[in-house]
Formats: sequence, structure tokens, C-alpha cells
Amino acid sequence: SQELEQSPQSLIVQEGKNLTINCTSSKTLYGLYWYKQKYGEGLIFLMMLQKGGEEKSHEKITAKLDEKKQQSSLHITASQPSHAGIYLCGADTGGPSAGGTSYGKLTFGQGTILTVHP
Amino acid sequence: DTAVSQTPKYLVTQMGNDKSIKCEQNLGHDTMYWYKQDSKKFLKIMFSYNNKELIINETVPNRFSPKSPDKAHLNLHINSLELGDSAVYFCASSHYRRAAEAFFGQGTRLTVV
Repeated sequence: SQELEQSPQSLIVQEGKNLTINCTSSKTLYGLYWYKQKYGEGLIFLMMLQKGGEEKSHEKITAKLDEKKQQSSLHITASQPSHAGIYLCGADTGGPSAGGTSYGKLTFGQGTILTVHP
Repeated sequence: DTAVSQTPKYLVTQMGNDKSIKCEQNLGHDTMYWYKQDSKKFLKIMFSYNNKELIINETVPNRFSPKSPDKAHLNLHINSLELGDSAVYFCASSHYRRAAEAFFGQGTRLTVV
């Protein structure tokens, strides 16, 4: 089965600092998704990456996909307390996700807990 | 307006009991899911229904039985609860084959004592 390993497991930064979270897959990535989870709440979809080299941004959050390395990174620029939460990467083990298709057999990393001190 | 709502939010019960968790979505989605997040924060798919039909059934004890009375509802019934069932259970919904973009409920924290 496909496994996703995130690093670091937790991260504490000062407001205004940049940070990077990595997600490495044990198998070929057909698509990689990033989510944010606040304590006591469900996941919020951030963005989807489907092609090698693809890079997407959402406000101050940027994610890249390196298919060869079977890895994705999430970068937050000038972090703010509102960025605090748990970031999870996810992948669909159902196969190629052309056109944004994901069949539902999602597997997730264990999450990275981000704390941003004001 | 809550998009995906689960009840109850917290559930504490004794071993051996039977309990249900309800989920409703008002997004007009045709596919709903149940996920389990264990104490180590690993999130795993349990079931998925599309238009009231079961389409994903992962390796889950048959004590867990999902029921979808209509597209907007997916309930989870658990028989003979065990200590290892303690976890946070998330309901989610999406359009068909757009599971990655699902909307999640706030979760039900189940504690079996």
C-alpha cells in the first residue's frame, strides 16, 4: 500500500518566518493533495498537484510536486498565526488522477503540526 | 449554514455498546465518505457511498455498518464497541470522483471506556 511520510512532524516558528513541509511517497504519485486541519475540525482542501513540476499557490502558501522524487513540498511565506494548524498531504491510491479525478481511496500523511508564535 | 454536519460531536460509551453517528450534507454532492483518524493522527478511508450505493469498503470490521438512506445522509452504526474503536470519525462529501476535494464534517470523537 502507498504510504506518505511527512516531515517535520511538528514545527514552531515565529510570525513572519518562512517554512517548508515535505511529503514523500513510497510509491509513484499520480496526484498529491494538501489539506489543513484545525484542532477539533475536519480537513480543508488547500490544493491539488497532478503533474511533475507543477506548482500552485493559495494566498501565501505554495506547493510543488516532484514526481521523480515522489515528493511534494508546501511552503508558507511570512507565516501568520492564522496559518497554525495541522497540514496533511494526501494521495489517491486508485491510480492516475487525470483531470482532477480522485476515486476516494485516499491515503494521508500523519500530518505536520504548525505553531506560529506572534 | 453547515455544509457537512455530524452528530454527536463527542461520544463516550462503554465497551460492548452499540452506537450510531449521523452525517448530513447540504451541498448537493452525490458521494459521501467515512474516515477514521486514530490517536497518531493517521486518517484512513473506511467507506464511500455514491448515490446511496456502497463503492468503497475498506478493511473494516463488520461491526461497522454504514447506511445511506438518501444522497444527503450517510450514517455509521457500530456494534459491540471495543476500546480500539476510540478515534475521531470524519464524514465527508464530494462530487463523484472528486474525493480529494471533499468537504469534511467537524468530526465525532468516540471514546470507548
